[in-house]
Amino acid sequence: DVVMTQSPLSLPVTLGQPASISCRSDQSLGHSDGNTYLNWFHQRPGQSPRRLIYQVSNRESGVPDRFSGSGSGSDFTLKISRVEAEDVGVYYCMQGLYWPDTFGQGTKLEIK
Amino acid sequence: EVQLVESGGALVQPGGSLRLSCATSGFSFSDHWMDWVRQAPGKGLELVGRVKLKTQNYITEYAASVKGRFTISRDDSKNSVYLQMNNLKPDDSALYYCADVRAHGNLWGRGTLVTVSS
Repeated sequence: DVVMTQSPLSLPVTLGQPASISCRSDQSLGHSDGNTYLNWFHQRPGQSPRRLIYQVSNRESGVPDRFSGSGSGSDFTLKISRVEAEDVGVYYCMQGLYWPDTFGQGTKLEIK
Repeated sequence: EVQLVESGGALVQPGGSLRLSCATSGFSFSDHWMDWVRQAPGKGLELVGRVKLKTQNYITEYAASVKGRFTISRDDSKNSVYLQMNNLKPDDSALYYCADVRAHGNLWGRGTLVTVSS
């Protein structure tokens, strides 16, 4: 299985400050169709995960533009430009190129 | 309104069996691959299985950790997906979500809890 490695695993952030999460895969996630199958999910406490970003940098409908994704190959980043209280929870990267789709360990974002 | 509602979770002894169900509404179920994803208490997410479309002969795929013990099926006429779990182990204890992890929008249920313990 493709191993997804996130860092940091814990991310205390002051409200209004930026945050950044790294995700690395042990195989390249680029497909011959030109797409790269890397997603980001957010799971609030007590809730189901919700996808924020697909194919590295495309925000789902309704996701605030303070969230952005970047990267290529096997190295990816999720950035939050200004953290708000509703952003707390765990963030997961997930690759969707190889079966089984695999998730990173998760990064827990908390407000300082 | 999109809804995915899992049921069937329970406390079961090691070696036992359980069948989870997921009833859906509010989206075109038959056009979606359907997944079962589990999350052990306080842990991360693991995709355990997937069932594809009628046009793909309902192909199923399984994670190595459950292959040979779990079986996914779907009934497009009932907009439902199922997870038959046999020979359960303590490591199978988790909240089980039905979802389409690849879908736009939020196609995840709230989960049903499976506890495997003697």
